[in-house]
Amino acid sequence: QKEVEQDPGPLSVPEGAIVSLNCTYSNSAFQYFMWYRQYSRKGPELLMYTYSSGNKEDGRFTAQVDKSSKYISLFIRDSQPSDSATYLCAMSALAAGNKLTFGGGTRVLVKP
Amino acid sequence: EAGVTQFPSHSVIEKGQTVTLRCDPISGHDNLYWYRRVMGKEIKFLLHFVKESKQDESGMPNNRFLAERTGGTYSTLKVQPAELEDSGVYFCASSQTGGGYNEQFFGPGTRLTVL
Repeated sequence: QKEVEQDPGPLSVPEGAIVSLNCTYSNSAFQYFMWYRQYSRKGPELLMYTYSSGNKEDGRFTAQVDKSSKYISLFIRDSQPSDSATYLCAMSALAAGNKLTFGGGTRVLVKP
Repeated sequence: EAGVTQFPSHSVIEKGQTVTLRCDPISGHDNLYWYRRVMGKEIKFLLHFVKESKQDESGMPNNRFLAERTGGTYSTLKVQPAELEDSGVYFCASSQTGGGYNEQFFGPGTRLTVL
């Protein structure tokens, strides 16, 4: 069983819709929870990170972490065609040198 | 400020040959990580340098892989001899050192194809 599970998609939504992404994990030692965006032939780019449980909002993006359920989410409001990309969840623990454990990524397509 | 750079962007080699990948981290970043994405799988950790020292190499697949970081600056990852299953995209990331969370900045990756 993978440490981090993420639905591969693809997830296709019309422009302006809310995109909802999530990951589940098994390692309770994870402290930091990240969402990366990756465009084709590019490296992952950090969107948001959250420490421990809670919500965090940044513009159109909201990240949620529920450590009791080992479940994290990312919501993208008012989605744009430029949001079309692969979204990767990643997690880390300070004691493990902050090495990242990734989900497999979800492909998102926002149609104009 | 320049980001993390990797060279080459793409390498195609025959099974049994040697390939060396290079990563130049962001200046001043003590932490350097190597990751790999094999087709159809998630990105996986390979190893972590702090300056020139290997902090964690638990993700290195086998002894055909050798990573170095000269003087705590750029890093190389050598695969010798390459096998078919080594094909994938190799990412390098760097971060600062400090308490708590430090963002890892990723390079564009090196796409390795072993024929």
